[in-house]
Amino acid sequence: AQSVTQLGSHVSVSEGALVLLRCNYSSSVPPYLFWYVQYPNQGLQLLLKYTSAATLVKGINGFEAEFKKSETSFHLTKPSAHMSDAAEYFCAVTNTGGFKTIFGAGTRLFVKA
Amino acid sequence: GAGVSQSPSNKVTEKGKDVELRCDPISGHTALYWYRQSLGQGLEFLIYFQGNSAPDKSGLPSDRFSAERTGGSVSTLTIQRTQQEDSAVYLCASSPRTSTYKGNEQFFGPGTRLTVL
Repeated sequence: AQSVTQLGSHVSVSEGALVLLRCNYSSSVPPYLFWYVQYPNQGLQLLLKYTSAATLVKGINGFEAEFKKSETSFHLTKPSAHMSDAAEYFCAVTNTGGFKTIFGAGTRLFVKA
Repeated sequence: GAGVSQSPSNKVTEKGKDVELRCDPISGHTALYWYRQSLGQGLEFLIYFQGNSAPDKSGLPSDRFSAERTGGSVSTLTIQRTQQEDSAVYLCASSPRTSTYKGNEQFFGPGTRLTVL
């Protein structure tokens, strides 16, 4: 069975500070991993995904994530937070050849001026 | 091109009534998913369609919930005899390929906010 754990339901950073959103997964087979973002009153959109190519994945809006198999982690980072980054972020996992995607509970990011 | 659309955007209903939620996926997308997002919760998988068939209905919370998809396109999620605990945002997503696609990115609609009084 697959699962995703996002550490911290809420994260608050100052504008210009590093953003780090944590995600740990559990999967018995090689996983595909995703980060989605949900802006207020909008649907989810894909930020980035890991599909067994490069372990450091770059996404939109300056975000990136690193797949670490030994730590079963896929943490999301951005060097410098912007006010427009305030949103809810979801980590998700699906297995190779599978269709079912398991989402984490989400982390709401607050950015202070 | 057009994204995934859902209707209505908001639905308020009385306990015990039936509701239908509609999803129009991106044209040509073969896979379609329904999720439920309750306040402060993550996304709860409800059902998945590949074409018109639903290989996995394991997420439907009870037999009051059903879904169908016709013509490999539009899908309807029906909730019968609604209860207050059904109040949530119902999200639909579509994906362009089958399970063999490497990393099945999903494209989400804006959701339908259901409130059961």
